[in-house]
Amino acid sequence: AQKVTQAQTEISVVEKEDVTLDCVYETRDTTYYLFWYKQPPSGELVFLIRRNSFDEQNEISGRYSWNFQKSTSSFNFTITASQVVDSAVYFCALIPSYGGATNKLIFGTGTLLAVQP
Amino acid sequence: DTEVTQTPKHLVMGMTNKKSLKCEQHMGHRAMYWYKQKAKKPPELMFVYSYEKLSINESVPSRFSPECPNSSLLNLHLHALQPEDSALYLCASSQGLRENYGYTFGSGTRLTVV
Repeated sequence: AQKVTQAQTEISVVEKEDVTLDCVYETRDTTYYLFWYKQPPSGELVFLIRRNSFDEQNEISGRYSWNFQKSTSSFNFTITASQVVDSAVYFCALIPSYGGATNKLIFGTGTLLAVQP
Repeated sequence: DTEVTQTPKHLVMGMTNKKSLKCEQHMGHRAMYWYKQKAKKPPELMFVYSYEKLSINESVPSRFSPECPNSSLLNLHLHALQPEDSALYLCASSQGLRENYGYTFGSGTRLTVV
């Protein structure tokens, strides 16, 4: 089965707190790609990061960091010192690589992050 | 230009109307997509075009008719929709189907069917 699970439906934090959004995935493929997207109230899905299955290095981009662990099939996303502008729905997504290359994004159900001032 | 532009941003239509959604990109991407997103749900794939040919139709009802007139433009023609078709319709593009670089999404068209 190809599936992405985001168990946290909603998270509320106060500005400047750190917050981690969890993502667990399932795929039978050895080659696959993981993504995080941000969807603010305006509706656009904003690309945050892409990671392939052979690259387990953690990544940091400003206040954002990602922890990819194949052993637990997790790709968690941490925002450090959260800001009100971080308030959005965050989607974790998977592209499995069957060989047919459909490039279909499989989304998790999303986590609504509310950052209070 | 690194954008996917969708028009209109909002659309209200009756169940007997015919309307079209438009999507445009000038990034040289050869794959384009239509996704449908209901409130508080993740986007769901509807159609995939690759090199202007329909590659995937995710069993979408025929009242939704996609069209790709050229490599930069993707349309979604709507006819005889139902109120349950009200949703955010997102267009996206990618370099191709095999590169797996992820998508660039447009800001969507919020469709209300009355």
